[in-house]
Amino acid sequence: DAGVIQSPRHEVTEMGQEVTLRCKPISGHNSLFWYRQTMMRGLELLIYFNNNVPIDDSGMPEDRFSAKMPNASFSTLKIQPSEPRDSAVYFCASSQAGTSTSNQPQHFGDGTRLSIL
Amino acid sequence: KNEVEQSPQNLTAQEGEFITINCSYSVGISALHWLQQHPGGGIVSLFMLSSGKKKHGRLIATINIQEKHSSLHITASHPRDSAVYICAVGEAGSQGNLIFGKGTKLSVKP
Repeated sequence: DAGVIQSPRHEVTEMGQEVTLRCKPISGHNSLFWYRQTMMRGLELLIYFNNNVPIDDSGMPEDRFSAKMPNASFSTLKIQPSEPRDSAVYFCASSQAGTSTSNQPQHFGDGTRLSIL
Repeated sequence: KNEVEQSPQNLTAQEGEFITINCSYSVGISALHWLQQHPGGGIVSLFMLSSGKKKHGRLIATINIQEKHSSLHITASHPRDSAVYICAVGEAGSQGNLIFGKGTKLSVKP
C-alpha cells in the first residue's frame, strides 16, 4: 500500500503566484481531507470530500483557495493569488468512510511545506 | 475556550518513564483520535476510540465519555517516542470535521 502521496514536498514561491498542491489518496478510500498546519493555529480542516464531492468547505479561508477532486484518485488544492500568510504545512488525508467519517482512521500524507515570500 | 484542550503542552521524560498525556473536550463526539507527528513532520493515526480502552504495544488510550476526557499512556518510554501527540475529536453529527488539540510535544531523553 503506497499510502497517501502528496506533491510537491516543498514549495517556495513569491507572493501573487498561483500555487497548486496535489494529493493521491489511498486506493479504495472514498473520503479525502485537506488540512493546514501552522504554529499559531495547529491543524485545521480546510475542506473534505466524500466520493469526490465537496461536503464541507467551511474551513477554506477565502476565495483565493479552491479545491477539486476530479476523480477518486486525485485532488488538488489551489491558492491564487498566494500571500505570505498562506505559508504553512498542508496535509492531505484519506479514509474509508462508513456512516460517519469521523469514526474512521485517517491516513495522512507527508505534507507540503509551503513558503510564500 | 478551545473545544479540545491538551495537557501538558510540553513534556520531557527520562527513558523508561511512564508517560501520560491528557485531552479534554467540550463537544459531543462520535470518536476521539490520537495522532503522532514525528519530528520530520509525518502524521500517523495511533488510535481511534469512542469508549473504553485500546492498547497497541506500549501505547494505551482510554476515554471517559461522561467526563469528556481521554488519556494517552506510554509505558517504558524510549527516545524514539519523542514526537508531538495530537488529540482530535469527531464532533457528533458532523460528516467528517475533526477538531484538533494543539498537541503535546514529548521529548524522551536517553
